[in-house]
Amino acid sequence: DQQVKQNSPSLSVQEGRISILNCDYTNSMFDYFLWYKKYPAEGPTFLISISSIKDKNEDGRFTVFLNKSAKHLSLHIVPSQPGDSAVYFCAASEGYNNNDMRFGAGTRLTVKP
Amino acid sequence: DGGITQSPKYLFRKEGQNVTLSCEQNLNHDAMYWYRQDPGQGLRLIYYSQIVNDFQKGDIAEGYSVSREKKESFPLTVTSAQKNPTAFYLCASTIWGRNYGYTFGSGTRLTVV
Repeated sequence: DQQVKQNSPSLSVQEGRISILNCDYTNSMFDYFLWYKKYPAEGPTFLISISSIKDKNEDGRFTVFLNKSAKHLSLHIVPSQPGDSAVYFCAASEGYNNNDMRFGAGTRLTVKP
Repeated sequence: DGGITQSPKYLFRKEGQNVTLSCEQNLNHDAMYWYRQDPGQGLRLIYYSQIVNDFQKGDIAEGYSVSREKKESFPLTVTSAQKNPTAFYLCASTIWGRNYGYTFGSGTRLTVV
């Protein structure tokens, strides 16, 4: 039962363009969402998060958008850089209940020079 | 430097053997987690621990065991009862009770030969 889905296993964009990674969830009780970035042979690292009381959170080149009615969130990277090439995981949890964090399968982003 | 260390990076196990994966953190985090990653799937929770000497089963605990004798350490034993143990295992930690991104280790790849 995958409550968090990333339907695109891979995405390729040109350097300098926008990368948009998508994530859908099914559990309406989720109210906290996170994106992690993972390089090969390393563990995932926390990138950006958003609470359900917001619909947008921005941190430098990274912006996460949340559409609660559609149960959809997206991560925008502008402008994309070759160093952004990695696997991106979407995760969701119910409030402070950290132990119930659900992860998507990941999207592999490749940014071409 | 604070961080979370998993060892070994690669592990080979013969069928019928138990093996133990190490996870150590010096971040003074209360909560620790073990996840399993299989191709095309999100991270699935095996076990988690909020405090020393206490731990809880996650979604796929069968065939695994853990201990939490020290705050810094959360080893995972993959027993012979685990039917399909070949996978990538990730350990994570966080401050319990807050929406605080996990810190992950770099993972252990276990292969049954």
